[in-house]
Amino acid sequence: QQQVKQSPQSLIVQKGGISIINCAYENTAFDYFPWYQQFPGKGPALLIAIRPDVSEKKEGRFTISFNKSAKQFSLHIMDSQPGDSATYFCAALEYGNKLVFGAGTILRVKS
Amino acid sequence: DAGVTQSPTHLIKTRGQQVTLRCSPKSGHDTVSWYQQALGQGPQFIFQYYEEEERQRGNFPDRFSGHQFPNYSSELNVNALLLGDSALYLCASSLYRGIGLTGELFFGEGSRLTVL
Repeated sequence: QQQVKQSPQSLIVQKGGISIINCAYENTAFDYFPWYQQFPGKGPALLIAIRPDVSEKKEGRFTISFNKSAKQFSLHIMDSQPGDSATYFCAALEYGNKLVFGAGTILRVKS
Repeated sequence: DAGVTQSPTHLIKTRGQQVTLRCSPKSGHDTVSWYQQALGQGPQFIFQYYEEEERQRGNFPDRFSGHQFPNYSSELNVNALLLGDSALYLCASSLYRGIGLTGELFFGEGSRLTVL
């Protein structure tokens, strides 16, 4: 059973455009929602994270929007750059230190 | 300040063999978690170690076992390897129950296991 559903599976965006990745969850016990970025041959690296009592968080070109009632959250990458080309994972924190990950979105930014 | 280090980076085994993967956590971290990442998938939680004890376990069979040493480093052991065990095995470190509160989860670059 996939606890965190992520879409789209892959995404192609023009340089300077906005990349949007969406995630949905069922478990209302999740209380922390990070996004990770992974380059080929590397481990995932934390990009930005949000708690459910906040509806939006922005860090530079990256913004998380969070809709608690809909149990959905999304990552927006503004002014997307070729260097942003990577796989992005949303995740949710279960009790303790266990992160539940989405299946990932492969982002390609065309220059 | 060294981050999370894992060894070996790549290894090839045959079905039925056993494998041991190693991890040194980020300086100052006391908790090690292991994740399995199959090709094209998100990481799946295997288990977590704190104070040399397994604290949480994901949906993995008993063939997967681990250990944490007094210096917080950790090993992941997989017995009776199956073809389906081929994956990237990621070690992650943190402070115990600190994710999102006092710190974050930091991943190593992983050990790529191929089972033939």
